[in-house]
Amino acid sequence: DAGVIQSPRHEVTEMGQEVTLRCKPISGHNSLFWYRQTMMRGLELLIYFNNNVPIDDSGMPEDRFSAKMPNASFSTLKIQPSEPRDSAVYFCASSPGTAEAFFGQGTRLTVV
Amino acid sequence: ELKVEQNPLFLSMQEGKNYTIYCNYSTTSDRLYWYRQDPGKSLESLFVLLSNGAVKQEGRLMASLDTKARLSTLHITAAVHDLSATYFCAVDAGYGNKLVFGAGTILRVKS
Repeated sequence: DAGVIQSPRHEVTEMGQEVTLRCKPISGHNSLFWYRQTMMRGLELLIYFNNNVPIDDSGMPEDRFSAKMPNASFSTLKIQPSEPRDSAVYFCASSPGTAEAFFGQGTRLTVV
Repeated sequence: ELKVEQNPLFLSMQEGKNYTIYCNYSTTSDRLYWYRQDPGKSLESLFVLLSNGAVKQEGRLMASLDTKARLSTLHITAAVHDLSATYFCAVDAGYGNKLVFGAGTILRVKS
């Protein structure tokens, strides 16, 4: 398996634009997580899905953020409208259940 | 709410020395994970500790878990430069493998 695949790897966008981050989890994993990493706040869990169903979205910072998992092999994290304070590295991770999470390479988002 | 604290947050070591990174957590959990992150890279799983008294070793790194004390340690033996990275512990919050991460320990090994 190629591991967790995220796209794009880098995204630079202007404030107010919509941004969509994409994730393909490892085949067979039933849990998927979106994390955000910044120097100030470290690694924050934004939302996680189990069997494609959102279980906990308490980490989503505000209504500008939304996430979907339409099937077991694809998830998106959308920010609309984007703001400079959203600049961060966004990681997607997947897990087969009661085991460690495997992380993708991340998307470095810069909002100018 | 589960809180995970690591210390130290920054560690500068000489090659060949030993040191320990500590990870304390605030609520009951019997699943703890250690990850490594190189600058600009993703997180790589190092150890999975799933029960009280669990001990895992890989090369110069050894991790242990004491669930009664809510404490895990990552011990570094005879450090080498290649171990320079940021090390995170993560604790299962008990809701279907939801992980809460510590702030990370930046390790720099000086030759």
